[in-house]
Amino acid sequence: DIMMTQSPLSLPVTPGEPASISCRASQSLLLSSGDNCLHWYLQKPGQSPQLLIYLGSNRASGVPDRFSGSESGTDFTLKISRVEAEDVGLYYCMQGLQTPYTFGQGTNLEIK
Amino acid sequence: QVRLQQSGPGLVQPSQTLSLTCAISGDSVSSSSASWNWFRQSPSGGFQWLGKTYYRSKWFHESAISVKGRITINPDTSQNQLSLQLNSVTPEDTAVYYCARLRGSGIIDNWGQGTLVTVSS
Repeated sequence: DIMMTQSPLSLPVTPGEPASISCRASQSLLLSSGDNCLHWYLQKPGQSPQLLIYLGSNRASGVPDRFSGSESGTDFTLKISRVEAEDVGLYYCMQGLQTPYTFGQGTNLEIK
Repeated sequence: QVRLQQSGPGLVQPSQTLSLTCAISGDSVSSSSASWNWFRQSPSGGFQWLGKTYYRSKWFHESAISVKGRITINPDTSQNQLSLQLNSVTPEDTAVYYCARLRGSGIIDNWGQGTLVTVSS
């Protein structure tokens, strides 16, 4: 199984400040297309997860441009340029390269 | 617009069978460009993929090794839904269960609302 290691697990952020979450895969997630099969999800309190970023760096429809994804080998980063109150929740990375699909442990972003 | 509506009991007794249904609207369970999956989220927040079914000229099924032998995922084309059955449950199977649609490259673009299933006598 591909192991996904996420950090930090807890992330208190002041509104308007940037935030960054890291995710490392235990093996390459590279597709033949050159894309990485790594996706980011946000689970707001009491809700199902929602897709934020797909294939490492592509924002899903309707996702604000303050969210961005980057990649370097098997290391992936989700950045929020200026955190807003509505961004609170659990952030997960997930690999979709092979089954079993696996997730990072989750990062709990909270507002200071 | 795709919508996944889950239904099923929230309490199951140990050693019994967990059964959930996911009704699909806005897409077809027989879609040749999607797979239909079940995940669960433990009380501590971790996600686990349980299995999937998909149609590519014939039906395919895959399940996680950790639940293989206990899990059945069935498509129902007449009702356009999929079901999950997990046999011989224990308290460790207590979790929020989600159905989800995956598109290419394992992208989950639609989730059900989630069903909290508690295994307890």
